[in-house]
Amino acid sequence: SQTIHQWPATLVQPVGSPLSLECTVEGTSNPNLYWYRQAAGRGLQLLFYSVGIGQISSEVPQNLSASRPQDRQFILSSKKLLLSDSGFYLCAWSVGTGRNFGPGTRLLVL
Amino acid sequence: QKEVEQDPGPLSVPEGAIVSLNCTYSNSAFQYFMWYRQYSRKGPELLMYTYSSGNKEDGRFTAQVDKSSKYISLFIRDSQPSDSATYLCAMSANTGNQFYFGTGTSLTVIP
Repeated sequence: SQTIHQWPATLVQPVGSPLSLECTVEGTSNPNLYWYRQAAGRGLQLLFYSVGIGQISSEVPQNLSASRPQDRQFILSSKKLLLSDSGFYLCAWSVGTGRNFGPGTRLLVL
Repeated sequence: QKEVEQDPGPLSVPEGAIVSLNCTYSNSAFQYFMWYRQYSRKGPELLMYTYSSGNKEDGRFTAQVDKSSKYISLFIRDSQPSDSATYLCAMSANTGNQFYFGTGTSLTVIP
């Protein structure tokens, strides 16, 4: 069966610090991978998606970036965090329709 | 106008009640409709998936799609305290990457 891992579960970072969130998927090959951010009362915002190694599409201009160095690995990064980057970050995968979400990383930028 | 509208609630019901959760949408091209359940501080989990119009039943859960009214519903029968969560609707026009979520409805089932 397919499993998706995200770490860390919780992260508290100062403004201006770098960020690296990692997501890995097991039990499937060549999935589409997604990064979402969920803010209270604002639903799920798609940040990036990837259809293959090295292929990244950005949905929202911001100070975040994403990379896909391996088929089942997806990384979300920032060089300098802003207060507005706080939120719940979710990695998801799909094969066809639908999204299967990971457990999420709660990021608090102070 | 948002692509998908969902009443955020919160909704509070006694145990055993029938719960009705709803979303409306504006894009008549949507064909794939989903409901997710999200427990506090967890990722959303897929609960129901429906293609096009009609009903789909899975245990105590029934998903309905009315494309003529651009309206989808999730019914929960014999609600349990373990159903307390946020429910998000989601929809898309095709199997591509444009996927639209509602903001979620918070449900509490009181024992």
